[in-house]
Amino acid sequence: EAGVTQFPSHSVIEKGQTVTLRCDPISGHDNLYWYRRVMGKEIKFLLHFVKESKQDESGMPNNRFLAERTGGTYSTLKVQPAELEDSGVYFCASSQDYGRVSGELFFGEGSRLTVL
Amino acid sequence: DQQVKQNSPSLSVQEGRISILNCDYTNSMFDYFLWYKKYPAEGPTFLISISSIKDKNEDGRFTVFLNKSAKHLSLHIVPSQPGDSAVYFCAASGRGGTSYGKLTFGQGTILTVHP
Repeated sequence: EAGVTQFPSHSVIEKGQTVTLRCDPISGHDNLYWYRRVMGKEIKFLLHFVKESKQDESGMPNNRFLAERTGGTYSTLKVQPAELEDSGVYFCASSQDYGRVSGELFFGEGSRLTVL
Repeated sequence: DQQVKQNSPSLSVQEGRISILNCDYTNSMFDYFLWYKKYPAEGPTFLISISSIKDKNEDGRFTVFLNKSAKHLSLHIVPSQPGDSAVYFCAASGRGGTSYGKLTFGQGTILTVHP
């Protein structure tokens, strides 16, 4: 079974440009999360989808970030326009259950974003 | 304000010995705690978890202890192996059916196990 896949693995862009990150969750997982790790610090929650609906987007830094999950399958996270402080590793994670049967999220390998 | 703290950025242990990784939290609403392990260029992978109604959970070489009064948890790895060398993240989540996936992470502790 394929895990959570993310694309691209690394993106280098100029300040002011636009970048779109993509996440394909594990098939059948209704819950999809975006997290970000900046400068080797803690991993921070950005938002949570349940199927195609945004359940919680309290962690989104500002309106330059737009996340979508059309059809409840893959998700995209667009940063427009990118700023220097947006550099970091963006992780996507998915899970099936609301409840704590296993309590775990399955993370992708991350998309490293470098804004110059 | 960081609600989950791992005060040791790194830990070095000899193979076969015990590794103890510590984590403190401040939010009393957290009721579920997890440890994730991360290798370079990979995503975090789930290791072990504990509910606030317990004070210990064991899985093979890994044991997590929770001290709610002190708002402190620790991960014990016995015996430590070189393959355990990774970054370990402590994470916590609050109550609620849909909030468990909203994790608050610590900064991570780099564990190095020497042969």
